Amino acid sequence: NAGVTQTPKFQVLKTGQSMTLQCAQDMNHEYMSWYRQDPGMGLRLIHYSVGAGITDQGEVPNGYNVSRSTTEDFPLRLLSAAPSQTSVYFCASGIGFSYEQYFGPGTRLTVT
Amino acid sequence: TQLLEQSPQFLSIQEGENLTVYCNSSSVFSSLQWYRQEPGEGPVLLVTVVTGGEVKKLKRLTFQFGDARKDSSLHITAAQPGDTGLYLCAGAHGNQGGKLIFGQGTELSVKP
Repeated sequence: NAGVTQTPKFQVLKTGQSMTLQCAQDMNHEYMSWYRQDPGMGLRLIHYSVGAGITDQGEVPNGYNVSRSTTEDFPLRLLSAAPSQTSVYFCASGIGFSYEQYFGPGTRLTVT
Repeated sequence: TQLLEQSPQFLSIQEGENLTVYCNSSSVFSSLQWYRQEPGEGPVLLVTVVTGGEVKKLKRLTFQFGDARKDSSLHITAAQPGDTGLYLCAGAHGNQGGKLIFGQGTELSVKP
């Protein structure tokens, strides 16, 4: 099993550009989530999904879109990148009843 | 709003010393997890506690969930340089799998 995979590992965008961060898991987990990590702030939930076709907003959803068409994939779209979106982004998956999350290696995004 | 407060935020100790990290909240959690994160990687789950007063041991690490399920602690005995990393606590409310609330983290450095 590859676990949770994320691409790309690094990305530099100019303000106003759009892009999609990819996330895939091969553990057949129902739950998938996107977090951003900024210094001194831990991880903050952006969006999450409890199954294919079902998504919901987390703590900091503005400027991001998600969709979940399959159990395996949960892409995160930045519609119009802003410098405030410079961060490290982590995708996670888990089995709902245990709440335990398995994290990908992260995508380091810089917006100039 | 930081619903989970971790303390201390930074901790630098010598090999062989003991330490305790605290995770406090005014909210009741259904479960609380502890993760460890190394630079450039995603968080890795160490333990999940679900019952008030529960104590779990993982080699030199002891985790405790408060009786009221609002707080938790992580105690490391005889710390080693390999324990160096960012320790994160995360809480889950009710049946909201995939929706974790993270503390801001404790950066631990163990010097040989």
